[in-house]
Amino acid sequence: SQTIHQWPATLVQPVGSPLSLECTVEGTSNPNLYWYRQAAGRGLQLLFYSVGIGQISSEVPQNLSASRPQDRQFILSSKKLLLSDSGFYLCAWSRTSGSLTGELFFGEGSRLTVL
Amino acid sequence: SQKIEQNSEALNIQEGKTATLTCNYTNYSPAYLQWYRQDPGRGPVFLLLIRENEKEKRKERLKVTFDTTLKQSLFHITASQPADSATYLCAPRGSGGSYIPTFGRGTSLIVHP
Repeated sequence: SQTIHQWPATLVQPVGSPLSLECTVEGTSNPNLYWYRQAAGRGLQLLFYSVGIGQISSEVPQNLSASRPQDRQFILSSKKLLLSDSGFYLCAWSRTSGSLTGELFFGEGSRLTVL
Repeated sequence: SQKIEQNSEALNIQEGKTATLTCNYTNYSPAYLQWYRQDPGRGPVFLLLIRENEKEKRKERLKVTFDTTLKQSLFHITASQPADSATYLCAPRGSGGSYIPTFGRGTSLIVHP
């Protein structure tokens, strides 16, 4: 069966510090991968998605970046965090084909607080 | 731009009643519409998908309708239980292999015993 792991679960970072969130998927090949952010009281905002290794599409211009160094690994990074980067970050995957529903499978999330 | 609207206020109902949540969309012609459940501090979980050529879809106590003329989907939970309390998100999507998921803000449902 497929599983998705996301870490760390919680982190508190000072403004201006770097960030690295990691997500890995097991049990499937060539998944589509996504990073979402959910700010307090807000909806899910798509940040990045990837359809293959090294292929990253950015939905929102910001100080965040994403990388996909391996087929089932997706990393969200920042060189210098801003207060507005605080939020709940969710990694998700979906099948590229063969799915009747096109559903997304989400990780457990990473709660980031920037102070 | 595409816009998805869900009731921002929490829906409070008594156990046993039917909960009805609304999802409206504009500037969009989705071929499918998905519904997800999100519990506090957790990632969303897929519940149901309905296609544009389907009027209604059922799964156990869940029922979803899709009116492409009104640009609206209704999500019903019959015989609601306190365990159904959560935030419910709708996510319209287009057809084809390139799927860029867009979510509404979600509606919080609170079922009182």
